[in-house]
Amino acid sequence: DGGITQSPKYLFRKEGQNVTLSCEQNLNHDAMYWYRQDPGQGLRLIYYSQIVNDFQKGDIAEGYSVSREKKESFPLTVTSAQKNPTAFYLCASSRDRATNEKLFFGSGTQLSVL
Amino acid sequence: QKEVEQDPGPLSVPEGAIVSLNCTYSNSAFQYFMWYRQYSRKGPELLMYTYSSGNKEDGRFTAQVDKSSKYISLFIRDSQPSDSATYLCATNSMNTGNQFYFGTGTSLTVIP
Repeated sequence: DGGITQSPKYLFRKEGQNVTLSCEQNLNHDAMYWYRQDPGQGLRLIYYSQIVNDFQKGDIAEGYSVSREKKESFPLTVTSAQKNPTAFYLCASSRDRATNEKLFFGSGTQLSVL
Repeated sequence: QKEVEQDPGPLSVPEGAIVSLNCTYSNSAFQYFMWYRQYSRKGPELLMYTYSSGNKEDGRFTAQVDKSSKYISLFIRDSQPSDSATYLCATNSMNTGNQFYFGTGTSLTVIP
């Protein structure tokens, strides 16, 4: 079945530690995105990528980094510079750069601070 | 002003009721309109998608877009307890490219 796979489902970060969230898609989509979801708030865009080896900052990129070495993979690293990382992280993808009219989501990763 | 405004609720209805969920948006250039359903601690699931104005029906769900008033709605007929979730509206356009704009979500509970 085609879809977006996020792992792990739950992740814990210690003080000063970098952690990486995985996102893989087999939908053959060009564009991929990372969103952060906090209770009572809407989805906030962290980073997006429209093509391999290219990515752009979203609204809240500080303290995060990404890479896009393969079309199907878009991992997100939460660095120690992100002082409030506890949130639900969602990876998404859409078909192509020209239209981007439908956005599909993975099942999410809950990140908590120990 | 936010690009998309959505009443967070919570909304509680008895089983079988008709539910109306609504959003307003600010940019008349928006062309694509989506409704997502999100169960607790799960990823949002694309429920309905419409392009420009008009209605779209899928089973018990009807999505409606009124571009003249910048108003989008989702109607759920014969609501079921399994419809209990948070519903997110979203919009996009060719002009905004990769940028999607989301409402904050409305929490719905359908009571058996």
